[in-house]
Amino acid sequence: NAGVTQTPKFQVLKTGQSMTLQCAQDMNHNSMYWYRQDPGMGLRLIYYSASEGTTDKGEVPNGYNVSRLNKREFSLRLESAAPSQTSVYFCASSETSEPYNEQFFGPGTRLTVL
Amino acid sequence: AQTVTQSQPEMSVQEAETVTLSCTYDTSESDYYLFWYKQPPSRQMILVIRQEAYKQQNATENRFSVNFQKAAKSFSLKISDSQLGDAAMYFCAYRSPNRDDKIIFGKGTRLHILP
Repeated sequence: NAGVTQTPKFQVLKTGQSMTLQCAQDMNHNSMYWYRQDPGMGLRLIYYSASEGTTDKGEVPNGYNVSRLNKREFSLRLESAAPSQTSVYFCASSETSEPYNEQFFGPGTRLTVL
Repeated sequence: AQTVTQSQPEMSVQEAETVTLSCTYDTSESDYYLFWYKQPPSRQMILVIRQEAYKQQNATENRFSVNFQKAAKSFSLKISDSQLGDAAMYFCAYRSPNRDDKIIFGKGTRLHILP
């Protein structure tokens, strides 16, 4: 099992460009999450999908959109990148959205917006 | 709103010694879940240990144990027999019992292991 995979690992964008971060999990998990991690900060939730077909905003959703393509895949889109979106992005999944479930994290995508 | 505070941005410990990382949180809920996550240089977040607030017994996982003080809203992580592989950022996290509610992370403590 690969667990949670993310592509790309690194990306540099210019202000105003768009891109999609891809995430896939092979653990048959129902719930998936997107976080961002900024220097000196813990992770902050951008969007999550409690189950296939549903998505909800997290703490910092502005400037992002998500798509739960199927049970395995959950993508994060930046429509018009801004320097404030420079961050490390983590995707995670859990069996369900019950709070006691462990979240399994991908390796992260380091995004720089110039 | 719930908050999680880790007051030690960095700590160092000699290999084979014991170290305790501090975490306090603020909540008005009586039931909740607490976690410690480890983030090594590879960046991948790994769950170290979890504690359910309704359980009085402190959780343990091999060399990792917690000291959960519910009244004081304190949740510290003790690492015994520290190893070089324990060097990482450690994040304390809180989760409400409400389904779909988000995890709230502290800002992290960077742990250095001195050989």
